[in-house]
Amino acid sequence: KQEVTQIPAALSVPEGENLVLNCSFTDSAIYNLQWFRQDPGKGLTSLLLIQSSQREQTSGRLNASLDKSSGRSTLYIAASQPGDSATYLCAVKDTGGFKTIFGAGTRLFVKA
Amino acid sequence: KAGVTQTPRYLIKTRGQQVTLSCSPISGHRSVSWYQQTPGQGLQFLFEYFSETQRNKGNFPGRFSGRQFSNSRSEMNVSTLELGDSALYLCASSLDLFTDTQYFGPGTRLTVL
Repeated sequence: KQEVTQIPAALSVPEGENLVLNCSFTDSAIYNLQWFRQDPGKGLTSLLLIQSSQREQTSGRLNASLDKSSGRSTLYIAASQPGDSATYLCAVKDTGGFKTIFGAGTRLFVKA
Repeated sequence: KAGVTQTPRYLIKTRGQQVTLSCSPISGHRSVSWYQQTPGQGLQFLFEYFSETQRNKGNFPGRFSGRQFSNSRSEMNVSTLELGDSALYLCASSLDLFTDTQYFGPGTRLTVL
């Protein structure tokens, strides 16, 4: 059974710092891995999608990597800003039952 | 291009009632997935529809059901509501079942009293 874990659960950093969020999954049989951000009480905003055959994806200040064999992904945020404050979620699309399994998220707070 | 829309945005029901939530996907998207989000359990997958057929289902009781119409719009229904059904219900749409980005709607906040 696929399980997705995100570490740390919460993170507080000063503005301008570079940071890394971690996501691990137990079964490497996935179609893809997606990173989202969620603002309080809102829906999810897609940040990056990495297909199982890819190693990384970049968008602006964000870079996500995928190491399928070790069951790990990282989301790198460069030069963090207060507007980056949100909960970041990773999700894997499992090949076993075609389900999308989410981690519990990392709550990020960037201090001005 | 318009995003995923969900109606209603807020609902208050009492135990034992039933409720129907609606989701309109992005134009051209044929896959619609539903999720339940609660503080205790996080985001949990309910079911996914593609071309009017349920393709997979999460571990929820039969009180939770859904359907998809020929225009890809989807509805989910919860019968005999329980207090524990209070949650944010999110739907997401994508072009296909396996490889495409999922785009989420704003959610429907259901409160069961």
